[in-house]
Amino acid sequence: GAVVSQHPSWVICKSGTSVKIECRSLDFQATTMFWYRQFPKQSLMLMATSNEGSKATYEQGVEKDKFLINHASLTLSTLTVTSAHPEDSSFYICSARPHFPLPQETQYFGPGTRLLVL
Amino acid sequence: SQKIEQNSEALNIQEGKTATLTCNYTNYSPAYLQWYRQDPGRGPVFLLLIRENEKEKRKERLKVTFDTTLKQSLFHITASQPADSATYLCALSNQGGKLIFGQGTELSVKP
Repeated sequence: GAVVSQHPSWVICKSGTSVKIECRSLDFQATTMFWYRQFPKQSLMLMATSNEGSKATYEQGVEKDKFLINHASLTLSTLTVTSAHPEDSSFYICSARPHFPLPQETQYFGPGTRLLVL
Repeated sequence: SQKIEQNSEALNIQEGKTATLTCNYTNYSPAYLQWYRQDPGRGPVFLLLIRENEKEKRKERLKVTFDTTLKQSLFHITASQPADSATYLCALSNQGGKLIFGQGTELSVKP
């Protein structure tokens, strides 16, 4: 149980295009979903927190107009990287925090999406 | 600011030995401390959670200790196997709060 999927698993795009990444909780409802970015040999850095039906909360230094987050339902959140540039190339990972009765202190992570912007 | 430090160098051990990983933190009083495993090119996988009022937690070959006075957690893998080779992440949080991750320690178990 507590499976989170991401799609696509990897994407290569040209500079200036927009890329949408989907995050789904497959067998549970998520009160909150999180988006992280991870550069090689570095830890996960939280980008934003999203709750279903409300606006996302972005971490300091993360441009909300560049990284658009939509949390349309209790099982789906999307991250759109708008006008992507090579410096946006990274590993993007989502996580979901479940409803009761699953433990709410734990987050369940997706497999990640590798983005390469040429 | 909050800071989490894990063994920065990779840990190389022989199969069958016990691996011990360290997580130290400053400027934070977490309600929970969690350990995750991350394989290359994959998302983290939850292993264990320990609460601030707990000293030790076990799950099969895994053991976690939490010393809020020392602001330190130790993560042990007993009878280690090559399949345990991965990066292990320590993460702190408060009730309903965000996870703050350490940079991870890469563990390599040699047969």
